[in-house]
Amino acid sequence: AQKITQTQPGMFVQEKEAVTLDCTYDTSDQSYGLFWYKQPSSGEMIFLIYQGSYDEQNATEGRYSLNFQKARKSANLVISASQLGDSAMYFCAMREGVGDDKIIFGKGTRLHILP
Amino acid sequence: DGGITQSPKYLFRKEGQNVTLSCEQNLNHDAMYWYRQDPGQGLRLIYYSQIVNDFQKGDIAEGYSVSREKKESFPLTVTSAQKNPTAFYLCASSIGGTSTDTQYFGPGTRLTVL
Repeated sequence: AQKITQTQPGMFVQEKEAVTLDCTYDTSDQSYGLFWYKQPSSGEMIFLIYQGSYDEQNATEGRYSLNFQKARKSANLVISASQLGDSAMYFCAMREGVGDDKIIFGKGTRLHILP
Repeated sequence: DGGITQSPKYLFRKEGQNVTLSCEQNLNHDAMYWYRQDPGQGLRLIYYSQIVNDFQKGDIAEGYSVSREKKESFPLTVTSAQKNPTAFYLCASSIGGTSTDTQYFGPGTRLTVL
């Protein structure tokens, strides 16, 4: 079974609108971490935001926020006021347990921002 | 500037040849990783190292080898045993061993087998 599921292979959003990228995860661990990365066409993976399983507040970083719904095992990325430069692939990832440095990536969502 | 460098950016190899991809970091991170990405796919872990002189296989280690003789360096060798090596290779590093550990990535190397 997939550990990280991103159900939206591609999305088109009008510039300045907010966008939500979906991510669900599967783990039996109580302690885990969730990440979102952005990959522009250049290929480099850019870290955006992190949410720990014990964090009570949703993580926010500038225009990025993570809508963390633990009971539903959901960790959606919300981008407010989208910009043309937000066009990229976005990957959700998870690290299970403590002391295990490996993280598992989803297959990604390609976001297109329309002018 | 602190960061992760990978070289070369593009690499072409003939079938049957081994090739080594470089990854260097000056972030003083203990852990380093190698991932492979195929078109339209997510990242798959090849090898990772949590400390110098130690490394573990990831999900797709067959046909690859690594070494970790220095904290700053984690080179990946793609051997002739790797059946389909054409892909984008990404190196990452992290502090390691913390609950909030975040991986930071280099710019990647695109390998093409001719």
